[in-house]
Amino acid sequence: NAGVTQTPKFQVLKTGQSMTLQCAQDMNHEYMSWYRQDPGMGLRLIHYSVGAGITDQGEVPNGYNVSRSTTEDFPLRLLSAAPSQTSVYFCASSYSKGQDRVNTEAFFGQGTRLTVV
Amino acid sequence: AQSVTQPDIHITVSEGASLELRCNYSYGATPYLFWYVQSPGQGLQLLLKYFSGDTLVQGIKGFEAEFKRSQSSFNLRKPSVHWSDAAEYFCAVGPSYSGGGADGLTFGKGTHLIIQP
Repeated sequence: NAGVTQTPKFQVLKTGQSMTLQCAQDMNHEYMSWYRQDPGMGLRLIHYSVGAGITDQGEVPNGYNVSRSTTEDFPLRLLSAAPSQTSVYFCASSYSKGQDRVNTEAFFGQGTRLTVV
Repeated sequence: AQSVTQPDIHITVSEGASLELRCNYSYGATPYLFWYVQSPGQGLQLLLKYFSGDTLVQGIKGFEAEFKRSQSSFNLRKPSVHWSDAAEYFCAVGPSYSGGGADGLTFGKGTHLIIQP
Protein backbone atom coordinates (compact mmCIF):
# COMPACT_ATOMS: atom_id res chain seq x y z
CA ASN A 1 0.00 0.00 0.00
CA ALA A 2 1.84 3.09 -1.26
CA GLY A 3 -0.33 5.72 0.52
CA VAL A 4 0.36 9.24 -0.73
CA THR A 5 3.10 9.55 -3.34
CA GLN A 6 4.65 12.83 -4.37
CA THR A 7 6.97 13.40 -7.31
CA PRO A 8 9.54 14.74 -7.75
CA LYS A 9 11.28 14.77 -4.37
CA PHE A 10 13.55 17.64 -5.32
CA GLN A 11 13.31 20.31 -8.01
CA VAL A 12 15.19 23.45 -8.95
CA LEU A 13 13.45 25.97 -11.18
CA LYS A 14 14.42 29.26 -12.70
CA THR A 15 12.22 32.28 -12.09
CA GLY A 16 9.39 32.32 -14.59
CA GLN A 17 9.47 28.61 -15.38
CA SER A 18 6.41 26.48 -14.95
CA MET A 19 6.09 23.02 -13.50
CA THR A 20 3.64 20.57 -11.99
CA LEU A 21 4.07 18.83 -8.67
CA GLN A 22 2.42 15.44 -8.78
CA CYS A 23 0.44 13.82 -5.98
CA ALA A 24 -1.26 10.45 -6.11
CA GLN A 25 -3.02 8.38 -3.47
CA ASP A 26 -4.21 4.81 -3.67
CA MET A 27 -6.51 4.79 -0.65
CA ASN A 28 -9.64 6.02 -2.47
CA HIS A 29 -9.74 9.08 -0.23
CA GLU A 30 -12.16 11.81 -1.25
CA TYR A 31 -10.21 14.70 0.25
CA MET A 32 -6.83 15.87 -0.97
CA SER A 33 -4.90 18.99 -0.16
CA TRP A 34 -1.62 20.80 -0.72
CA TYR A 35 0.42 22.54 1.94
CA ARG A 36 3.65 24.46 1.86
CA GLN A 37 6.09 24.42 4.73
CA ASP A 38 8.40 27.35 5.38
CA PRO A 39 10.81 27.78 8.30
CA GLY A 40 9.04 29.19 11.35
CA MET A 41 5.67 29.17 9.58
CA GLY A 42 4.44 25.63 10.05
CA LEU A 43 2.34 24.22 7.22
CA ARG A 44 -0.07 26.45 5.35
CA LEU A 45 -2.92 25.23 3.18
CA ILE A 46 -2.64 26.17 -0.50
CA HIS A 47 -5.58 24.39 -2.17
CA TYR A 48 -7.80 21.48 -1.34
CA SER A 49 -10.32 19.22 -3.00
CA VAL A 50 -13.35 17.47 -1.55
CA GLY A 51 -13.77 15.19 -4.53
CA ALA A 52 -13.12 14.78 -8.22
CA GLY A 53 -14.02 17.95 -10.08
CA ILE A 54 -14.22 20.08 -6.91
CA THR A 55 -11.42 22.30 -5.65
CA ASP A 56 -11.17 25.32 -3.42
CA GLN A 57 -8.60 27.78 -2.15
CA GLY A 58 -6.82 27.58 1.14
CA GLU A 59 -4.84 30.18 3.05
CA VAL A 60 -2.10 30.88 0.46
CA PRO A 61 -3.45 30.06 -3.04
CA ASN A 62 -1.84 32.85 -5.10
CA GLY A 63 0.55 31.61 -7.77
CA TYR A 64 -0.79 28.05 -7.73
CA ASN A 65 -3.42 26.19 -9.72
CA VAL A 66 -4.97 22.81 -9.08
CA SER A 67 -7.41 20.46 -10.71
CA ARG A 68 -8.89 17.12 -9.69
CA SER A 69 -9.96 15.03 -12.65
CA THR A 70 -9.69 11.72 -10.81
CA THR A 71 -10.01 10.61 -7.19
CA GLU A 72 -6.41 9.44 -7.18
CA ASP A 73 -4.53 12.48 -8.49
CA PHE A 74 -4.25 16.08 -7.35
CA PRO A 75 -1.49 17.94 -9.21
CA LEU A 76 -0.27 21.38 -8.16
CA ARG A 77 0.78 23.74 -10.94
CA LEU A 78 3.13 26.66 -10.72
CA LEU A 79 2.53 28.72 -13.86
CA SER A 80 5.38 31.20 -13.40
CA ALA A 81 7.69 30.29 -10.55
CA ALA A 82 8.95 32.98 -8.20
CA PRO A 83 11.67 32.83 -5.53
CA SER A 84 8.94 33.30 -2.90
CA GLN A 85 7.65 29.86 -3.86
CA THR A 86 10.84 28.20 -2.64
CA SER A 87 9.47 25.82 -0.05
CA VAL A 88 8.74 22.23 0.86
CA TYR A 89 5.40 21.11 -0.49
CA PHE A 90 3.29 18.40 1.10
CA CYS A 91 0.28 16.66 -0.32
CA ALA A 92 -2.24 15.02 2.01
CA SER A 93 -5.36 12.91 1.72
CA SER A 94 -8.18 11.96 4.07
CA TYR A 95 -11.78 10.77 4.06
CA SER A 96 -14.96 11.06 6.06
CA LYS A 97 -16.81 8.10 7.46
CA GLY A 98 -20.23 7.12 8.63
CA GLN A 99 -23.58 8.74 8.18
CA ASP A 100 -22.39 11.83 10.04
CA ARG A 101 -19.37 12.05 7.71
CA VAL A 102 -16.82 12.35 10.48
CA ASN A 103 -13.45 13.40 9.16
CA THR A 104 -10.34 11.31 9.65
CA GLU A 105 -6.73 12.34 10.04
CA ALA A 106 -4.71 13.47 7.04
CA PHE A 107 -2.11 11.15 5.54
CA PHE A 108 0.89 13.00 4.18
CA GLY A 109 3.31 12.36 1.37
CA GLN A 110 7.07 12.66 1.86
CA GLY A 111 7.22 16.14 0.39
CA THR A 112 8.74 17.93 -2.60
CA ARG A 113 11.58 20.35 -1.91
CA LEU A 114 11.36 23.14 -4.49
CA THR A 115 13.98 25.82 -5.00
CA VAL A 116 13.33 28.75 -7.34
CA VAL A 117 16.43 30.68 -8.35
CA ALA B 1 -10.87 32.23 11.53
CA GLN B 2 -9.25 29.22 13.08
CA SER B 3 -5.76 29.41 14.49
CA VAL B 4 -3.28 27.30 16.40
CA THR B 5 -0.62 28.68 18.72
CA GLN B 6 2.42 26.77 19.84
CA PRO B 7 4.07 29.21 22.24
CA ASP B 8 7.44 27.46 22.40
CA ILE B 9 9.58 27.61 19.27
CA HIS B 10 12.36 25.53 20.84
CA ILE B 11 12.39 23.28 23.88
CA THR B 12 15.45 21.51 25.32
CA VAL B 13 14.93 18.51 27.55
CA SER B 14 17.37 16.07 29.09
CA GLU B 15 17.06 12.45 28.06
CA GLY B 16 14.85 10.64 30.54
CA ALA B 17 13.08 13.80 31.68
CA SER B 18 9.40 14.49 31.18
CA LEU B 19 8.07 16.62 28.34
CA GLU B 20 5.10 18.88 27.77
CA LEU B 21 4.53 20.75 24.53
CA ARG B 22 1.85 23.39 24.59
CA CYS B 23 -0.87 23.98 22.02
CA ASN B 24 -3.75 26.47 22.10
CA TYR B 25 -6.36 26.69 19.40
CA SER B 26 -9.17 28.92 18.25
CA TYR B 27 -11.91 27.20 16.29
CA GLY B 28 -15.54 28.12 15.76
CA ALA B 29 -16.98 24.65 15.29
CA THR B 30 -16.35 21.28 16.94
CA PRO B 31 -12.60 20.80 16.51
CA TYR B 32 -10.68 17.76 15.50
CA LEU B 33 -7.21 18.06 17.06
CA PHE B 34 -3.98 16.41 16.06
CA TRP B 35 -0.32 16.20 16.93
CA TYR B 36 2.11 15.37 14.16
CA VAL B 37 5.86 14.77 14.37
CA GLN B 38 8.38 15.50 11.65
CA SER B 39 11.92 14.16 11.72
CA PRO B 40 14.54 16.05 9.67
CA GLY B 41 13.95 15.69 5.95
CA GLN B 42 10.88 13.54 6.48
CA GLY B 43 7.15 13.85 6.07
CA LEU B 44 4.64 14.16 8.88
CA GLN B 45 3.68 11.26 11.09
CA LEU B 46 0.51 11.29 13.16
CA LEU B 47 1.18 10.91 16.90
CA LEU B 48 -2.39 11.11 18.14
CA LYS B 49 -5.76 12.71 17.56
CA TYR B 50 -8.79 13.87 19.51
CA PHE B 51 -12.30 14.04 18.21
CA SER B 52 -14.61 13.31 21.11
CA GLY B 53 -14.92 11.22 24.24
CA ASP B 54 -12.17 10.78 26.81
CA THR B 55 -10.18 13.99 26.97
CA LEU B 56 -6.91 12.16 27.60
CA VAL B 57 -5.78 10.41 24.45
CA GLN B 58 -2.93 7.99 24.00
CA GLY B 59 -0.76 7.98 20.92
CA ILE B 60 2.20 6.20 19.47
CA LYS B 61 5.73 6.24 20.88
CA GLY B 62 4.49 6.75 24.46
CA PHE B 63 2.93 10.17 23.84
CA GLU B 64 -0.36 11.37 25.26
CA ALA B 65 -2.35 14.60 25.03
CA GLU B 66 -5.11 16.15 27.08
CA PHE B 67 -7.92 18.17 25.59
CA LYS B 68 -9.14 21.00 27.83
CA ARG B 69 -12.10 22.74 26.26
CA SER B 70 -12.24 25.51 28.89
CA GLN B 71 -8.63 26.45 28.12
CA SER B 72 -8.78 25.72 24.37
CA SER B 73 -5.66 23.65 24.84
CA PHE B 74 -4.37 20.33 23.61
CA ASN B 75 -0.97 19.83 25.25
CA LEU B 76 1.27 16.92 24.35
CA ARG B 77 3.13 15.00 27.07
CA LYS B 78 5.60 12.20 27.47
CA PRO B 79 6.82 10.90 30.85
CA SER B 80 10.39 10.11 29.76
CA VAL B 81 11.93 11.29 26.50
CA HIS B 82 14.44 9.39 24.40
CA TRP B 83 17.11 10.84 22.12
CA SER B 84 15.07 9.60 19.15
CA ASP B 85 12.26 11.98 20.11
CA ALA B 86 14.28 14.95 18.85
CA ALA B 87 12.15 16.35 16.03
CA GLU B 88 9.70 19.07 15.06
CA TYR B 89 6.22 18.76 16.57
CA PHE B 90 3.12 20.28 15.06
CA CYS B 91 -0.30 20.77 16.57
CA ALA B 92 -3.17 21.06 14.10
CA VAL B 93 -6.92 21.65 14.13
CA GLY B 94 -9.48 20.74 11.51
CA PRO B 95 -13.20 20.31 11.00
CA SER B 96 -14.79 17.33 12.69
CA TYR B 97 -17.33 16.81 9.96
CA SER B 98 -17.21 16.99 6.23
CA GLY B 99 -18.77 20.24 5.13
CA GLY B 100 -18.14 21.78 8.53
CA GLY B 101 -15.69 24.23 7.13
CA ALA B 102 -12.61 24.24 4.94
CA ASP B 103 -11.60 20.65 4.61
CA GLY B 104 -8.00 21.28 5.45
CA LEU B 105 -5.94 21.56 8.57
CA THR B 106 -4.65 24.67 10.31
CA PHE B 107 -1.22 24.06 11.78
CA GLY B 108 0.74 25.72 14.51
CA LYS B 109 4.22 26.94 13.64
CA GLY B 110 5.84 24.01 15.36
CA THR B 111 8.02 23.31 18.37
CA HIS B 112 11.57 22.11 17.81
CA LEU B 113 12.49 19.55 20.46
CA ILE B 114 16.15 19.14 21.40
CA ILE B 115 17.24 16.26 23.61
CA GLN B 116 20.31 16.71 25.78
CA PRO B 117 22.29 13.60 26.71
